[in-house]
Amino acid sequence: DTGVSQDPRHKITKRGQNVTFRCDPISEHNRLYWYRQTLGQGPEFLTYFQNEAQLEKSRLLSDRFSAERPKGSFSTLEIQRTEQGDSAMYLCASSLGGGGFYNEQFFGPGTRLTVL
Amino acid sequence: QKEVEQDPGPLSVPEGAIVSLNCTYSNSAFQYFMWYRQYSRKGPELLMYTYSSGNKEDGRFTAQVDKSSKYISLFIRDSQPSDSATYLCAMSVSGTYKYIFGTGTRLKVLA
Repeated sequence: DTGVSQDPRHKITKRGQNVTFRCDPISEHNRLYWYRQTLGQGPEFLTYFQNEAQLEKSRLLSDRFSAERPKGSFSTLEIQRTEQGDSAMYLCASSLGGGGFYNEQFFGPGTRLTVL
Repeated sequence: QKEVEQDPGPLSVPEGAIVSLNCTYSNSAFQYFMWYRQYSRKGPELLMYTYSSGNKEDGRFTAQVDKSSKYISLFIRDSQPSDSATYLCAMSVSGTYKYIFGTGTRLKVLA
């Protein structure tokens, strides 16, 4: 399977715990995105990487959230001191980007986080 | 007011019906318009994208963009039970990377 993969698919944690999610993009894709989707809502942009550089962070990404993409390959999203409001589906997407043109974003299956 | 508005449904139709899904938006800078399909507990998958105004057809699916009205539509002909899913519209400004999604419309096609 050469699509975007995410691990784990489901995570249940207690409030206050730290969690980390991993995303493996399509291998030649230089752009990687994280979105968050809550029940009954569309995905909301969180952050974006071009290669290893994090170029934008949404104001939704509080200081408890940190994302990395070492070496421009896989990415991790860590949430510290989780809160019940963090419960959501965390989606990763990747694209092959150049500037100024449409670049299809391919989404992974998501990691569903439940904070008890 | 959200940048992209989409009726959440749910929308129930009989098999074979023509389905019309719509989104409105407020940002006139949007130039790329996408429709994604999302099955329950799965990631979104791209159905179609359109650049600027006009129509685009792919099999049973037709996407329309009316930039003057800030209104986009997705039509599904001869709908099938397998089309039952949530349909998300998404938009972006040319040269940017961030998609702005609607809330999604839940569609159920009854056999």
